[in-house]
Amino acid sequence: DGGITQSPKYLFRKEGQNVTLSCEQNLNHDAMYWYRQDPGQGLRLIYYSQIVNDFQKGDIAEGYSVSREKKESFPLTVTSAQKNPTAFYLCASSMGVAGPNEQFFGPGTRLTVL
Amino acid sequence: EDQVTQSPEALRLQEGESSSLNCSYTVSGLRGLFWYRQDPGKGPEFLFTLYSAGEEKEKERLKATLTKKESFLHITAPKPEDSATYLCAVYGGYQKVTFGTGTKLQVIP
Repeated sequence: DGGITQSPKYLFRKEGQNVTLSCEQNLNHDAMYWYRQDPGQGLRLIYYSQIVNDFQKGDIAEGYSVSREKKESFPLTVTSAQKNPTAFYLCASSMGVAGPNEQFFGPGTRLTVL
Repeated sequence: EDQVTQSPEALRLQEGESSSLNCSYTVSGLRGLFWYRQDPGKGPEFLFTLYSAGEEKEKERLKATLTKKESFLHITAPKPEDSATYLCAVYGGYQKVTFGTGTKLQVIP
């Protein structure tokens, strides 16, 4: 079955820690995305990548970093510079970025700062 | 800047009571409008893509329609399992999709 997996499902972070969220896809999609979802707000784009070894900042990239070393993988690191990291994080992929290509989402990771 | 406004924020229906959800958008040149369903604590599930005014798509009890300013998601004879948050999103080019905040639908048996 093709799809997107995210791990872990729940993650707890202490103040000052960096944490990394995993995202893997086996859909052979070129483009991958990271969104943040907060109550009462639409999904906000953190980073996206159109191709291996290339990625672009989204609307709220400050305090986050990504890498794209493999087509299948797009991990997100939430750094200590992100002042309000508690949120639901969603990874998505699509055939490409340029075009009305539907995005397919993973199950999400809920990050809580202790 | 592209904008998407969904209404109502929440909708409570009796089982079998048909209704519509609205998605109003402002985009310089619409190239695609998407509908997703999201269950609590899960990622959004893709439902439809609409590309141009006048287009309609159906899936089971759901039908999505598109005009030049808005899209409707019609739910016919809903069942409790249709309860979810429905998200609308638009793509106007420039490699960015803009999402609305969603309509939370509750269908009561």
